[in-house]
Amino acid sequence: AQKVTQAQTEISVVEKEDVTLDCVYETRDTTYYLFWYKQPPSGELVFLIRRNSFDEQNEISGRYSWNFQKSTSSFNFTITASQVVDSAVYFCALDERGNTPLVFGKGTRLSVIA
Amino acid sequence: DSGVTQTPKHLITATGQRVTLRCSPRSGDLSVYWYQQSLDQGLQFLIQYYNGEERAKGNILERFSAQQFPDLHSELNLSSLELGDSALYFCASSGLEGPPYEQYFGPGTRLTVT
Repeated sequence: AQKVTQAQTEISVVEKEDVTLDCVYETRDTTYYLFWYKQPPSGELVFLIRRNSFDEQNEISGRYSWNFQKSTSSFNFTITASQVVDSAVYFCALDERGNTPLVFGKGTRLSVIA
Repeated sequence: DSGVTQTPKHLITATGQRVTLRCSPRSGDLSVYWYQQSLDQGLQFLIQYYNGEERAKGNILERFSAQQFPDLHSELNLSSLELGDSALYFCASSGLEGPPYEQYFGPGTRLTVT
């Protein structure tokens, strides 16, 4: 069965520190898709990134970067030079075959302190 | 703005009552998903509709039902409400630009059962 584990329940960092959020997944499919979503205090779910299982190239978008490693079934998310506005709950999610309901991890609550 | 709308934004009701949550997907999207976010269960998939037909079912209680109408909007009906049904209910929609058929989330309906 598919499963997503975010072992870090809460992380607290001081502004400008780098922080990495871990995500480990389980799936039997060879084709699958991984996502990260941000949920700020206002409650909406904001899409951050999508990654295909056949594309292991890491991605950088501004202060955000993602490290996808199939060998360890991990899809980790790093925020560089964190800011107070990064404070939110971050969810990792898995979609098998590209047209199935998302399976979410439990989320990691990130608090960035000024 | 994801293009997915949900009404109402907030709903407060008493145990035993019945409520209807409404979702309008992005223009042209045929798939609608419903998710429940509660403190103890996290983000869980409830049910998916595709062009009016039920496509997939998750951990949806028998007291809950949903449907998708010809204009593609969807409604989630929750009946015989219990305190434990208090949660944030998200609707997501996806189109045909894929795979993966990326899901766009609405702002959610926060249900409080007293």
